[in-house]
Amino acid sequence: EAGVAQSPRYKIIEKRQSVAFWCNPISGHATLYWYQQILGQGPKLLIQFQNNGVVDDSQLPKDRFSAERLKGVDSTLKIQPAKLEDSAVYLCASSERRLAGYEQYFGPGTRLTVT
Amino acid sequence: LAKTTQPISMDSYEGQEVNITCSHNNIATNDYITWYQQFPSQGPRFIIQGYKTKVTNEVASLFIPADRKSSTLSLPRVSLSDTAVYYCLVGPYGQNFVFGPGTRLSVLP
Repeated sequence: EAGVAQSPRYKIIEKRQSVAFWCNPISGHATLYWYQQILGQGPKLLIQFQNNGVVDDSQLPKDRFSAERLKGVDSTLKIQPAKLEDSAVYLCASSERRLAGYEQYFGPGTRLTVT
Repeated sequence: LAKTTQPISMDSYEGQEVNITCSHNNIATNDYITWYQQFPSQGPRFIIQGYKTKVTNEVASLFIPADRKSSTLSLPRVSLSDTAVYYCLVGPYGQNFVFGPGTRLSVLP
């Protein structure tokens, strides 16, 4: 079974520029998550989708971050405009209620550096 | 959601059993306890989840006392490849996504 795919793996941009990250979850997983992980910290949930609907986006900085999950499969996370403090690894995860423990499967992440 | 407290770091030697304790004094009745492992440059990986008493799988054991105010992840006979950050999460079933800073385990030869 293929894992969670993310691209790009690395991205370097200047502040005030825009950037987009793509995630393809495990086939059949209805729930998709985007996390932000700053160096030395645990992942922080930004947004959770159930199929193509948003379940929780309470920690998403909506003035600059946006996310969508069209057709309930792939998802895109966008930052516009980026700030220096957005430098982090952006992790995508997917899950399915039938899984024991409702475990989340994480992708490798996209490392963003804002200069 | 319940707040969790774990040691920041731990050292161990190959072949030893490692126990990482997580405190969660305000755990709610419907909360589950979940542990994830994260290697450098990778996303976290689910290890184990439990509600009470003891849970064991091929990777680890999870011990939860009757009052559920703490839990202990037990890794038997660790190897160098077990060097990673271990996260304890507490929340309702299907809502375990609050990660703390975790415990950085270093396994020495």
